[in-house]
Amino acid sequence: DAGVTQSPTHLIKTRGQQVTLRCSPKSGHDTVSWYQQALGQGPQFIFQYYEEEERQRGNFPDRFSGHQFPNYSSELNVNALLLGDSALYLCASSLGRTNTGELFFGEGSRLTVL
Amino acid sequence: AQSVAQPEDQVNVAEGNPLTVKCTYSVSGNPYLFWYVQYPNRGLQFLLKYITGDNLVKGSYGFEAEFNKSQTSFHLKKPSALVSDSALYFCAVRESGNTGKLIFGQGTTLQVKP
Repeated sequence: DAGVTQSPTHLIKTRGQQVTLRCSPKSGHDTVSWYQQALGQGPQFIFQYYEEEERQRGNFPDRFSGHQFPNYSSELNVNALLLGDSALYLCASSLGRTNTGELFFGEGSRLTVL
Repeated sequence: AQSVAQPEDQVNVAEGNPLTVKCTYSVSGNPYLFWYVQYPNRGLQFLLKYITGDNLVKGSYGFEAEFNKSQTSFHLKKPSALVSDSALYFCAVRESGNTGKLIFGQGTTLQVKP
C-alpha cells in the first residue's frame, strides 16, 4: 500500500523564481492538505484540496497556489520566491469530506531559497 | 481559536526511564487531539489520537497519552524510553469544522541517552 509520496525531495531556487511541488496521496485517499514547516517550527496549514477545489486556506499570500487533479494528486505552486519561503513543505492526505481521523504525511520537499 | 502549547523545547531522559512530553490545548467544544513524531529530515508519523472515550489512549511504538479535561492537557507518555525514541514530537488539535485541518504546537525534542 503506497503511502503519501512527494517530489522533489530537495530543491534550491533563487529569489523571484517559481517552484512547483508535487504530491500523490495515500491509496484510497481523496483529500490533500499542504503544510509549511519552517526550521524549528511546527507545520503551518497552507490549504486543502477536495474534489479538485480549494476547501480551506490558511494565512498564506496569493503567491501560494495549488491544484488537485482527477486522480487526487496535487501540486503546490509558489511564485516570486522569497528567502522566507525556505522550509520543508509537507503534503498530507485523508479520506472524505468530513475527516475526524489522522492525516498521513509524506516525507516532504525541502525548499531552499537563495 | 484553537491552539496547542508544548511548554518544553527539549526533554532529556535516560534509556529505560519513563518519559513524558507535555501538551496543553485551548479549544471551544470537544477537542480532537493528536501526537505525531518526526525523525530528522523526515515527514510526520502518526502516533495516537483522542476523539472521545477513555482518557488513556494507547498508540504506536508503546506510546500512550493521557487526556485531562480539567487541566486541558494531553501529555504523551512511555513507561520505558528507548534511544530510538529520540526525535521531534508534535502535539496537534483538529480545528472545528469539517476539513480536518490540524493546528500544531512548536514541537518538543526528546533526547534519550544510553
